[in-house]
Formats: sequence, structure tokens, C-alpha cells
Amino acid sequence: ETGVTQTPRHLVMGMTNKKSLKCEQHLGHNAMYWYKQSAKKPLELMFVYNFKEQTENNSVPSRFSPECPNSSHLFLHLHTLQPEDSALYLCASSQGHLSSYNEQFFGPGTRLTVL
Amino acid sequence: QQPVQSPQAVILREGEDAVINCSSSKALYSVHWYRQKHGEAPVFLMILLKGGEQKGHEKISASFNEKKQQSSLYLTASQLSYSGTYFCGTPGQTNTGNQFYFGTGTSLTVIP
Repeated sequence: ETGVTQTPRHLVMGMTNKKSLKCEQHLGHNAMYWYKQSAKKPLELMFVYNFKEQTENNSVPSRFSPECPNSSHLFLHLHTLQPEDSALYLCASSQGHLSSYNEQFFGPGTRLTVL
Repeated sequence: QQPVQSPQAVILREGEDAVINCSSSKALYSVHWYRQKHGEAPVFLMILLKGGEQKGHEKISASFNEKKQQSSLYLTASQLSYSGTYFCGTPGQTNTGNQFYFGTGTSLTVIP
């Protein structure tokens, strides 16, 4: 595997389900991120991890819970989601934290549909 | 703090040129450009760090006017492979840490 991988690629869940999204980066980076991409809206940064420590949570509802067990893996745990949470969830990584200098490498995303 | 892009969408014939603009109401310290093809991950194109800087990537180039708080992406002699959504982005700071703001996006379609 190379780059940033995400599983599953598609997920359909009911509002009472609990599911998890997984991201793995094979680039040796030390920062990882979750973004939400809704139809006709810009990419929204949800969570930031630097060296496994969460450094940013942009007022994301508690029904989204991130986990970063090591610098290569990132999870997004989902529970009691709402239909408006349906979106493409993208994982990204970079060498060093978000700054003017560091490009981000994105995974292909998980297309989530909440019924 | 989210940059605004214009136009929202553009359709080109192969070989034509296009300009995508990105502007911010806040100071821009750098501008990043990404392209996302349909159903794929966003892919990094370039970073502009200084006002007046210009960069090129194949036949895609960009400029950064720090004083005007804007950047422009130039696509010359467009190819079918240029189709996708282009995003500008810029890092920022909040009370709690680092942030990154992507622009509203410009959908580019190149037709034969």
C-alpha cells in the first residue's frame, strides 16, 4: 500500500448504529487530519492530530469521536449520527503540522450515508 | 476565514485557457492549490509562500498577490485531464491551535 488509504470506501448506516472509519498513511508523516466534504460546500477540517496528540477540534459534535493510536493510523468513531452527517469523509496527512509549508496528502475518502 | 473562489464553474474546450481566482478577507500568508477529480482524493498542486511569487506545474501556474489578499491559478492550453474541482486553501490560527481553510471550489470541465 502506498500513500493514504481509507476503509471502508462506502458506508450506509442507520441513526442508531455505531461504526468506525479507518485511515492509514504509509508516508512516514506525523500529522493526520479528518475533513468533511458535503455537497456544494468546501472541505471542513474536523480534527487535527500532531504526533498522536489531538490539537484541534473545530466544534465538531460529540457523535464524532476521533482516535489516533499511532502516527500511522487514524480512526473516526461514529454513533447516533443524523442524516445531515451524510458526506464524504476525507483523511489527510502531512510531514509536520498545518502550516504554510506542508502539503497535505489525502486518502480517497469514505462516502457515508446516514438513513 | 474561508477563501472565496471565482468562478464557481467553468467549461472549456481543449486548448483554451482559464483563470481561477481565490480571495480572502483576512491576510494570506501562503496559498495552497489542490485539484480533486470526480470520485478521487484532492491532489496537491503547489504552494505559494510569498507575495509576488509565481509557480508552475506543467501548464498550470499560479500567482500570489499578498497585498490584495488573493491568488490566481492559470491553466493554459487546457487538456481533458485538467477537468476537476480546484481548491485554494490557506493555513490559519484559532484559539485552540492550527487550522486550514479551503476555498469554495471551482469546477472545471474540459470538453473535446
